[in-house]
Amino acid sequence: RKEVEQDPGPFNVPEGATVAFNCTYSNSASQSFFWYRQDCRKEPKLLMSVYSSGNEDGRFTAQLNRASQYISLLIRDSKLSDSATYLCVVTNTGFQKLVFGTGTRLLVSP
Amino acid sequence: DADVTQTPRNRITKTGKRIMLECSQTKGHDRMYWYRQDPGLGLRLIYYSFDVKDINKGEISDGYSVSRQAQAKFSLSLESAIPNQTALYFCATSDGRATGELFFGEGSRLTVL
Repeated sequence: RKEVEQDPGPFNVPEGATVAFNCTYSNSASQSFFWYRQDCRKEPKLLMSVYSSGNEDGRFTAQLNRASQYISLLIRDSKLSDSATYLCVVTNTGFQKLVFGTGTRLLVSP
Repeated sequence: DADVTQTPRNRITKTGKRIMLECSQTKGHDRMYWYRQDPGLGLRLIYYSFDVKDINKGEISDGYSVSRQAQAKFSLSLESAIPNQTALYFCATSDGRATGELFFGEGSRLTVL
């Protein structure tokens, strides 16, 4: 079983739609969680951290469920510019080991 | 100018050739990483370094070596390239203290024929 698993998609949604991705992780000792965004043929960039209490940044909401060992990303009012691959990242204490999921591809159409 | 710079950005080489990918950073971070990305496999860690005297193998270090020449420089070498090392390679840095955020270079696309 992979340490971090994501549905590869693609998720095809129209502009304005709400879309959610999940990411499951296998190591119960994992401490920190992040969502990165990667545009085609570009480098990944941090989108947001995921806190235990959940957090929101504009149209983006991230949540953590430790009991079920998954994190989620919700995007509201999707924009064309949201089209990208979203990578889930899980780390241990001290950020010594960061494990990336394979990513979920989102395509937002007009 | 980019904070994390990789050279070359694209390289085509032949099987058996020695290749070096270089990474330099101006962020002042102690931690540097080399990842490779393959379709369907995501980003996989090759080597990482937490300071100049600290080098650690990642999950797929076979066939690769690294050198941390200075805090700002971290090179990845393929001593004898093979076709299954064809991939997109990323260098990344982090401060490792405040957050787990990684700052990536723009990537080096390597093709081994």
